[in-house]
Amino acid sequence: TQLLEQSPQFLSIQEGENLTVYCNSSSVFSSLQWYRQEPGEGPVLLVTVVTGGEVKKLKRLTFQFGDARKDSSLHITAAQPGDTGLYLCAGAPHTGGFKTIFGAGTRLFVKA
Amino acid sequence: DTGVSQNPRHKITKRGQNVTFRCDPISEHNRLYWYRQTLGQGPEFLTYFQNEAQLEKSRLLSDRFSAERPKGSFSTLEIQRTEQGDSAMYLCASSRRDRSNYGYTFGSGTRLTVV
Repeated sequence: TQLLEQSPQFLSIQEGENLTVYCNSSSVFSSLQWYRQEPGEGPVLLVTVVTGGEVKKLKRLTFQFGDARKDSSLHITAAQPGDTGLYLCAGAPHTGGFKTIFGAGTRLFVKA
Repeated sequence: DTGVSQNPRHKITKRGQNVTFRCDPISEHNRLYWYRQTLGQGPEFLTYFQNEAQLEKSRLLSDRFSAERPKGSFSTLEIQRTEQGDSAMYLCASSRRDRSNYGYTFGSGTRLTVV
C-alpha cells in the first residue's frame, strides 16, 4: 500500500514556467518533508512542514501542508534548469511507528 | 560536520556472493536508518538503529540481510547470497532522536549491481 501518492510522476517544462507538484495520503502525518534527489546521489532535505495549513517559502519554492495534515504541495515559480531532479515527499504516519515513508517522487525536467 | 558517508559508492557482484556496505553517520546523530531505492521508486525503509539498538526492521529485510551498529557509531549492512532482485541503491541516513520528525541527512548511497 502506497501511503504517499505523488503527482504528477513526470513533468517536463520550459525554463521560466511555474509548476505545482502534489503529495496526498489518506493518513495523518505529524510532519511532512520534501527532498530533492539528483541521479546517483542521496535525497537532500529541502523543508519540513509541521503545522496544518503551514506555508513555507524557500526562494522560488513554496511548500504548503494541508489543514488536515494529510497532504502537501510544492510550487516552483519561474523554474530553472537547476531545479531539475526527483522531488520526494516523506513523513512518518501516526500509525506507522517511527519510520519515515517516502512517495515515489515527481521527476522534474526543466529545459533551457 | 562531514555529512553521512557511505562506502563503497558502487559494487558489482556475482549472484550468490556476499556483500557488505558501510555507513558513517553524522557524529552527534544517535539514529541511523537504512533504505533501499530501485529505479523509479522512492526510498523504502529497511531498518533503523537508535545508538547500537536495532529498533525496527521492515518485512523487506529477509533473512539474507543483516545490519549492525556495534558501538552506536558506524553501521554495516550485509547481504548474503545476493540475488539479481537485490540490485538497487542502498541509502543510509541519520538524525538526532529529538529531531527525527524534521527530516534526515542522507549519504550518497551505495549502488549495488548483481550480475
